[in-house]
Amino acid sequence: EIVLTQSPATLSLSPGERATLSCRASQSVSNYLAWYQQKPGQAPRLLIYDASNRATGIPARFSGSGSGTDFTLTIISLEPEDSAVYYCQQRINWPITFGQGTRLEIK
Amino acid sequence: QVLLQESGPGLVKPSETLSLTCTISGESISTYYWSWIRQPPGKGLEWIGYIYHSGDTKSNPSLKSRVTISVDTSKNQFSLKLTSVTAADTAVYYCAKGSATGTSWFAPWGHGTLVTVSS
Repeated sequence: EIVLTQSPATLSLSPGERATLSCRASQSVSNYLAWYQQKPGQAPRLLIYDASNRATGIPARFSGSGSGTDFTLTIISLEPEDSAVYYCQQRINWPITFGQGTRLEIK
Repeated sequence: QVLLQESGPGLVKPSETLSLTCTISGESISTYYWSWIRQPPGKGLEWIGYIYHSGDTKSNPSLKSRVTISVDTSKNQFSLKLTSVTAADTAVYYCAKGSATGTSWFAPWGHGTLVTVSS
């Protein structure tokens, strides 16, 4: 099973700042990595797939990069509504696995 | 617009079987793979398994042989059964749409339904 390790566990930033979230895989997942946003009481929402492709309706402030074992989700010009938990997910190997999440707090 | 809705009992007794159904609207179940994913309270996400309209299924080995996923194409629904539940199975259960191939991303998701295992 591929283990995805996300860092940091919590990130606290102010509106307008830039957030950088990391996801590291225990073995190469090529570019088969996605990012999700989950707000309290809501289901996760797909943000990024195949490492760098924005899902439908996702603002350009969200971008993904990386390949192999190291991936980054970048959110520029943070807005209060970006406060959420962010998860990464790999699909190259069974079982599909998720990271443990990074909580982003907007001050 | 694709919408998914989970339904089923919110309380299940230990050792019994958890049964949930996902009803799909706005999309034919016959085109994509459909998954179940769960999230224990305050914790992360765990993929449970998927099904295709042909009946092809795959499940997470962590759940061993306790999982059965089935499909009813006439109702545009798919279902989850998890046997011999314990408190560790208490979670919000989500159904989600995958891709046209087995391995995929998930979008959209249902709102989720909380299932509590307790006597």
